[in-house]
Amino acid sequence: DSGVTQTPKHLITATGQRVTLRCSPRSGDLSVYWYQQSLDQGLQFLIQYYNGEERAKGNILERFSAQQFPDLHSELNLSSLELGDSALYFCASSVDSLGTPLHFGNGTRLTVT
Amino acid sequence: QQQVKQSPQSLIVQKGGISIINCAYENTAFDYFPWYQQFPGKGPALLIAIRPDVSEKKEGRFTISFNKSAKQFSLHIMDSQPGDSATYFCAAGSSGNTPLVFGKGTRLSVIA
Repeated sequence: DSGVTQTPKHLITATGQRVTLRCSPRSGDLSVYWYQQSLDQGLQFLIQYYNGEERAKGNILERFSAQQFPDLHSELNLSSLELGDSALYFCASSVDSLGTPLHFGNGTRLTVT
Repeated sequence: QQQVKQSPQSLIVQKGGISIINCAYENTAFDYFPWYQQFPGKGPALLIAIRPDVSEKKEGRFTISFNKSAKQFSLHIMDSQPGDSATYFCAAGSSGNTPLVFGKGTRLSVIA
């Protein structure tokens, strides 16, 4: 068990809708990372937060946003969903801010119909 | 220049054999090269990592070989076991909070 909790495990929604994915990092970890995993693109880095502040940004679409709250949990908001947004979304955490995700959650599988 | 190219896409190895997965990178600023192991339904887990000041790092049956001049690194799994069947990702990053760039993964199947 990595100690990283992601909810929900599965999400099915329609195009145009908005969803929120939630992540609780491993106890003691201050950094949270979000990744998108699809069959053809592998693991794509979306965004990193460290102790509530945005630390690094990857290929995150403008329709997507994230935040990290004072209790260090994080939420990834996906809006105006398209079929191509269907993927596994992983959250990971680490103690430091150096960009290496050490502990991954088991992911949220998003299906957009 | 940010890409990490991983091969092969899939690999079938007999139990007891050696599994070899290769990665190549272009960005000479990369100085940290981890490998992750992912089982179905689970998130990736950090397996082993190397920095370019050494050419090889071994942890149990897992070894990373690193060739700085060729900008390549590889994962060797000795005495491969069915329990090693998983998807393996290489990654590369540089010091100072640069997010890791991942390869596209290799699906390893170890058959008895």
